[in-house]
Amino acid sequence: AQSVTQPDIHITVSEGASLELRCNYSYGATPYLFWYVQSPGQGLQLLLKYFSGDTLVQGIKGFEAEFKRSQSSFNLRKPSVHWSDAAEYFCAVGAPLGGSYIPTFGRGTSLIVHP
Amino acid sequence: EPEVTQTPSHQVTQMGQEVILRCVPISNHLYFYWYRQILGQKVEFLVSFYNNEISEKSEIFDDQFSVERPDGSNFTLKIRSTKLEDSAMYFCASKGGGYYEQYFGPGTRLTVT
Repeated sequence: AQSVTQPDIHITVSEGASLELRCNYSYGATPYLFWYVQSPGQGLQLLLKYFSGDTLVQGIKGFEAEFKRSQSSFNLRKPSVHWSDAAEYFCAVGAPLGGSYIPTFGRGTSLIVHP
Repeated sequence: EPEVTQTPSHQVTQMGQEVILRCVPISNHLYFYWYRQILGQKVEFLVSFYNNEISEKSEIFDDQFSVERPDGSNFTLKIRSTKLEDSAMYFCASKGGGYYEQYFGPGTRLTVT
């Protein structure tokens, strides 16, 4: 069964600083990988996804992530954080299932942005 | 942009009562899902629904839970006899054909007292 580890429960950065959120997964084959963001009281919004191809994936809001098979990682990065990026970030791994997939989510990393 | 909607946003119920959580998926989507998130914990898969039947369910989705697509637009999750531990945020999601992203609704916060 697949699993996801987000080792950082909280991350605090200053506005304008760079950001990297860590995600490690366990899955026997090439996974589908996702990063979602959840703002307070909101649902989950997909930031980016990796299905195949280029291992550096660009997403919305200036985020990117790199799939590293050798490290079983899919870390999320942003070169310059904005105060509005403060939210909960979830990494997920999905196993193909017919025409669908079921994502397994990590516990999330809470991003705090200082002015 | 089309979006998944859920009603109500917050539901308070007493233990043992039945609740129905409602979702309107994106109109041309074919796959429908329910997830839950207990406060402070990870999002957990409950059930997926395709072609008018359950295609996959987790061990959480026991006999107390059921899903239905009563018409062409709604997708519901019923909990027959709620327990305190059912208190959580419940998310609906939908997806089109093929391996594309699931779109999540804003969630229904269920509080069982």
